[in-house]
Amino acid sequence: QVQLQESGPGLVKPSQTLSLTCTVSGGSISSGSYYWSWIRQPAGKGLEWIGRIYTSGSTNYNPSLKSRVTISVDTSKNQFSLKLSSVTAADTAVYYCAREEWELDFDYWGQGTLVTVSS
Amino acid sequence: QSVLTQPPSASGTPGQRVTISCSGSSSNIGSNTVNWYQQLPGTAPKLLIYRNNQRPSGVPDRFSGSKSGTSASLAISGLQSEDEADYYCAAWDDSLNGGVFGGGTKLTVL
Repeated sequence: QVQLQESGPGLVKPSQTLSLTCTVSGGSISSGSYYWSWIRQPAGKGLEWIGRIYTSGSTNYNPSLKSRVTISVDTSKNQFSLKLSSVTAADTAVYYCAREEWELDFDYWGQGTLVTVSS
Repeated sequence: QSVLTQPPSASGTPGQRVTISCSGSSSNIGSNTVNWYQQLPGTAPKLLIYRNNQRPSGVPDRFSGSKSGTSASLAISGLQSEDEADYYCAAWDDSLNGGVFGGGTKLTVL
């Protein structure tokens, strides 16, 4: 059974870089044909797709965040990561990592981690 | 404002059938598959329907999905109190070259 777990600071200062890691267990991140994705949800609001990385290393990003987002993978640690630069209060949200096989069919999700942007 | 449009709320009584719509365009729903998620309070979303009308293992057959043109629908029959949740549609958008979600529909079981 595949499991995903987000980790990283829960508090980030404005203008700094938000960094989160998703650790995958129960399967190799480099096996199969999957996308490894990040999604976020501000409190009381809907889901927003941030971006994804394929097992080959290719990436896709939300155009509205593209200039600030980097998603990378570390196969040796079975992890993938999110970096979001120049954060503001608008980036405060629960951040989820998820596995995707095809066109946003996220079958496995992490439990989510709350990141607050505040000084 | 979300790329995919859902009604903000829906409701029904136990045993009823309810449908939730998701409207998009030719660049997303019109040319790609639609997925539906159920999110209970304080939990991660759960995949309910994938590739327009497929149910993952463990999802009751009370849940069904359909797509026509640039719109999709989620139907829930035999409504139960535990179905009270937020529901989201999602699809790939070829113009944005990215994923898009609907704004979500809060389902209340009266």
